Amino acid sequence: NAGVMQNPRHLVRRRGQEARLRCSPMKGHSHVYWYRQLPEEGLKFMVYLQKENIIDESGMPKERFSAEFPKEGPSILRIQQVVRGDSAAYFCASSPPSTNEKLFFGSGTQLSVL
Amino acid sequence: AQSVTQPDIHITVSEGASLELRCNYSYGATPYLFWYVQSPGQGLQLLLKYFSGDTLVQGIKGFEAEFKRSQSSFNLRKPSVHWSDAAEYFCAVGARSASKIIFGSGTRLSIRP
Repeated sequence: NAGVMQNPRHLVRRRGQEARLRCSPMKGHSHVYWYRQLPEEGLKFMVYLQKENIIDESGMPKERFSAEFPKEGPSILRIQQVVRGDSAAYFCASSPPSTNEKLFFGSGTQLSVL
Repeated sequence: AQSVTQPDIHITVSEGASLELRCNYSYGATPYLFWYVQSPGQGLQLLLKYFSGDTLVQGIKGFEAEFKRSQSSFNLRKPSVHWSDAAEYFCAVGARSASKIIFGSGTRLSIRP
């Protein structure tokens, strides 16, 4: 039973490019959470999604960032026109339907913006 | 406003010594409380959680935590640390339903041989 899979593990982008981060939740999980971890800081909540729905995006920057969790396929966190300040580790977590009693985390994607 | 405070950024203890990591929370509703551990380059792993009932909860790897409502605290303890416990520890809070989980800024634990 595979855990939460995130890819790529490392992503390097130049300023102005787009970054796409993928997250495949655990089998049977329909809830996905995205968090950002800046160096020497904790995890900052970004967005909480269910299949085809954004439930809470209160932590998402107003511009350039978007997330989706389609009916089929992984959840995608998309960052347009990346800037150096976007460099961080992005973690995805999943949970079963209707509960957040335990989040299962992926190993993260380290985004580096040159 | 929902928030979690971990006042200690970095703690160093000797191997075999006892450990207590502090966590205070602010939450409007009855909270779910969690402690997660993160090893370098890895995702987070759940150590323990509190939802209701006995205020002293046991977790994996010999950790325990005590919920004190009057102090809005949920401190993590271990009677005797091992070198493998060196990691980053995060306290978190959520609601009694599917909702976002808010994390503290973390406490980095180093173990002195």
